[in-house]
Amino acid sequence: QSVLTQPPSVSAAPGQKVTISCSGSSSNIGNNYVSWYQQFPGTAPKLLIYDNDQRPPGIPDRFSGSKSGTSGTLGITGLQTGDEADYYCGTWDDNLSAGVVFGGGTKLTVL
Amino acid sequence: QLQLQESGPGLVKPSETLSLTCTVSGGSISSGAYNWGWIRQPPGKGLEWIGSISVHGRTWYTPSLKSRVTLSVDMSNNQFSLNLKSVTAADTAVYYCARPSGVIRHDAFDIWGQGTMVTVSS
Repeated sequence: QSVLTQPPSVSAAPGQKVTISCSGSSSNIGNNYVSWYQQFPGTAPKLLIYDNDQRPPGIPDRFSGSKSGTSGTLGITGLQTGDEADYYCGTWDDNLSAGVVFGGGTKLTVL
Repeated sequence: QLQLQESGPGLVKPSETLSLTCTVSGGSISSGAYNWGWIRQPPGKGLEWIGSISVHGRTWYTPSLKSRVTLSVDMSNNQFSLNLKSVTAADTAVYYCARPSGVIRHDAFDIWGQGTMVTVSS
């Protein structure tokens, strides 16, 4: 049972837009920045978004992030088959020194 | 550029101690006030943060593993290490070392090792 809640799967057609939600609480997302990671099978996660909406160098602007209250959202526009991967949100949790917490992950299928 | 590489046994017996080392190359582990982290991922499951350590040796651990985990840092060899004692099959996972994107913080990991699979089995 993950501290942050993500939908297990989302799907969309190539060229379309998809959003992935990440729901938390006041002790984590509500009071801290949200990050998003992309992970392909057999590889390490890759940071897509940090500080809610910031992209590291080299990340296309097709990827965007936002936060509202205790939820974060990852948006991907102009979907490509190469975007098919698992996506994880993460943040710091202030509750009882919980530390870094992650969502359970969302499998994106590009139909 | 900075690279991380995990190393250690791929097979550990139940009740024994899992020991992994992360070697930092392309830069100094003491450059900047980073909190170096360990994350694991059981087969087919999500990510779990294990803990972080600063170059001064201050540690932060996830509550569920705190009683079994010890992190340490070796600046002379540009390495940091993970010890997890009394392992069970539930500790079978890919273990990653990682560095956050900014100093002082513990999350938003932008540099990851390739990961090393550790299986707990007799």
